[in-house]
Amino acid sequence: GQQLNQSPQSMFIQEGEDVSMNCTSSSIFNTWLWYKQDPGEGPVLLIALYKAGELTSNGRLTAQFGITRKDSFLNISASIPSDVGIYFCAGQLVGGGADGLTFGKGTHLIIQP
Amino acid sequence: KAGVTQTPRYLIKTRGQQVTLSCSPISGHRSVSWYQQTPGQGLQFLFEYFSETQRNKGNFPGRFSGRQFSNSRSEMNVSTLELGDSALYLCASSSGVRTVTYEQYFGPGTRLTVT
Repeated sequence: GQQLNQSPQSMFIQEGEDVSMNCTSSSIFNTWLWYKQDPGEGPVLLIALYKAGELTSNGRLTAQFGITRKDSFLNISASIPSDVGIYFCAGQLVGGGADGLTFGKGTHLIIQP
Repeated sequence: KAGVTQTPRYLIKTRGQQVTLSCSPISGHRSVSWYQQTPGQGLQFLFEYFSETQRNKGNFPGRFSGRQFSNSRSEMNVSTLELGDSALYLCASSSGVRTVTYEQYFGPGTRLTVT
């Protein structure tokens, strides 16, 4: 199946720092979604992007749909302890939903005291 | 509005047995998708149901099956369990309307352990 390359795999940051993570693919996507998953819970939808070049914010989170439609990034500004968790990008391929959503492997965000 | 609910939350089964997992979508949502999450493979799409019909299917063996009822509730079944089926099984619901269908909302998952 299709793959999304998500990086970095993990991030160790200090509280208050800004965070940036991204997803890339060799395929074109018509939708990009960003999720956060806490231990023992299901992923929670953070941001949905539907148009190439679209920049969308949700509080301290900002995500963009790449112009080439093959990538997306997520930024978190002024990180706080509750931002700890695993962040996943997910995309829907152009041409239909035969494969459902394709997910990246996740970015594990760890905030050091 | 209540979120997606899944039952049971935890399950331990023996190799060779079968298992049925249940999912109730958000009220008004007509599409239910199932995913398998493992540390090695991450989140992988199993199948999607819409209006009681399987609309999409991932690359899993026939031992994995599902169905959807008229009230949009869904079940998935795994027969002849293997050790490798141990995973977190996640259900996600969405409106199902094709123009804005990809905002999927996940339940807490069912943690299946096969021994």
